[in-house]
Amino acid sequence: EDKVVQSPLSLVVHEGDTVTLNCSYEVTNFRSLLWYKQEKKAPTFLFMLTSSGIEKKSGRLSSILDKKELFSILNITATQTGDSAIYLCAVKDGSSNTGKLIFGQGTTLQVKP
Amino acid sequence: GAGVSQSPSNKVTEKGKDVELRCDPISGHTALYWYRQSLGQGLEFLIYFQGNSAPDKSGLPSDRFSAERTGGSVSTLTIQRTQQEDSAVYLCASSLMGASGETQYFGPGTRLLVL
Repeated sequence: EDKVVQSPLSLVVHEGDTVTLNCSYEVTNFRSLLWYKQEKKAPTFLFMLTSSGIEKKSGRLSSILDKKELFSILNITATQTGDSAIYLCAVKDGSSNTGKLIFGQGTTLQVKP
Repeated sequence: GAGVSQSPSNKVTEKGKDVELRCDPISGHTALYWYRQSLGQGLEFLIYFQGNSAPDKSGLPSDRFSAERTGGSVSTLTIQRTQQEDSAVYLCASSLMGASGETQYFGPGTRLLVL
C-alpha cells in the first residue's frame, strides 16, 4: 500500500532557529512530491519537486528530493512565529489519470518568540 | 473567484442526519478533488472530477458518501445518515486540467461535527 510518512510529528523551536522537516514515501508510481503549509484550514502550496538533487528555494524555505532514497526535506532558516503551522507532504500518484495526492500525517511546527 | 471557496465553514449536525457540503473551484479549473482530514490525520483522498469524464470515486469510504459536479463547476459532497466518525474537515481542491504535473489549490474547508 502506498504511504507517505513525515517526521517529526511535532516540533517546538524558538525564533531564529533552523528546522528540518522530513518526508519519506513508498509509492508505486511516483510522479512528484509537494509540500503545503496549513495554518488554519486551507493548505497553501509551497513546492513541487520532481527531480532528485535540485533544491527549490523560496525566501527562508527550501526543499530537496532524493528519489533514490525516497525522501524529501523541507528546511526553514531563521524561523519566525509566523512559520507556526502544520507542514504537509504529499506525493502525486501517477498510476491513474487523476493525479490524486497521497498525504503524510503532517508535522506541526510551533515557533516561540 | 480568486480562489477555491467552500460552504459552510462549519457544520454541526446530529447523528443520522444528511449533510451537503459545497465547493466552488477556481474559475477555469476543470479538475476538482475532495479530501477529508480527520483529527491528527493527514488528508485522505475521496473523489475526483475532471470535465465530463466519469469521476474517480475510489476514495469514498462508504456508500453513504456521494458527490456531484454540476455544469463542470460547482461540486456538492453529500453524506447521508451521518455518523460520529464522519466528523472531520472536508477540503476541496482544484487544478487547471487534472494533469499529474499540476498543482492543486485548496479551499478553506468545511469543519463537520457530528454529535
